[in-house]
Amino acid sequence: DTGVSQDPRHKITKRGQNVTFRCDPISEHNRLYWYRQTLGQGPEFLTYFQNEAQLEKSRLLSDRFSAERPKGSFSTLEIQRTEQGDSAMYLCASSTIPGTAYGYTFGSGTRLTVV
Amino acid sequence: GNSVTQMEGPVTLSEEAFLTINCTYTATGYPSLFWYVQYPGEGLQLLLKATKADDKGSNKGFEATYRKETTSFHLEKGSVQVSDSAVYFCALVSGTGANNLFFGTGTRLTVIP
Repeated sequence: DTGVSQDPRHKITKRGQNVTFRCDPISEHNRLYWYRQTLGQGPEFLTYFQNEAQLEKSRLLSDRFSAERPKGSFSTLEIQRTEQGDSAMYLCASSTIPGTAYGYTFGSGTRLTVV
Repeated sequence: GNSVTQMEGPVTLSEEAFLTINCTYTATGYPSLFWYVQYPGEGLQLLLKATKADDKGSNKGFEATYRKETTSFHLEKGSVQVSDSAVYFCALVSGTGANNLFFGTGTRLTVIP
């Protein structure tokens, strides 16, 4: 297992288009998280899954954002009708339960640029 | 609520200098504390962690001690190298059943030869 994988690494899209990102967590990790990191800031929590269930969503996650984790394996994050303010690095992380004891393993992220 | 405050950067040091990056926190419950490092163009990597008061996390010459009385988790290294140049994030997970990390804004470290 090579860790948490994210695809694509970079995405440039025109305003108003839809984009979808994929995250493949470490296989034995039950929890999967999405974070957003804007330039010069720390990552901000968006949502998390325990197995296939989406258990928490931040108010940062507007109606244009949707995340899924079918079958409790990989996850997708879709942004509809992208806006320039969506430009950021989108990070995925996974952890075992309890994550507090072992920390979280992050992927390399998907950098989104909306032009 | 939960929050993490880091010293503002950027920090520029000469090779072999002593490093301190300050981090203080507020949290509900009893948090676990982390330092993550982000090298240019890469994702976050866990550097070290501490899960209870007075624990010392250490890795790659970096250390941080969980100080409950001062709500601090300062990162230190005795002799930095050029390869330590990166952005360092202090983070916490708070309380039983906590679900996500709260991050500071990050401190950019540049080490010059």
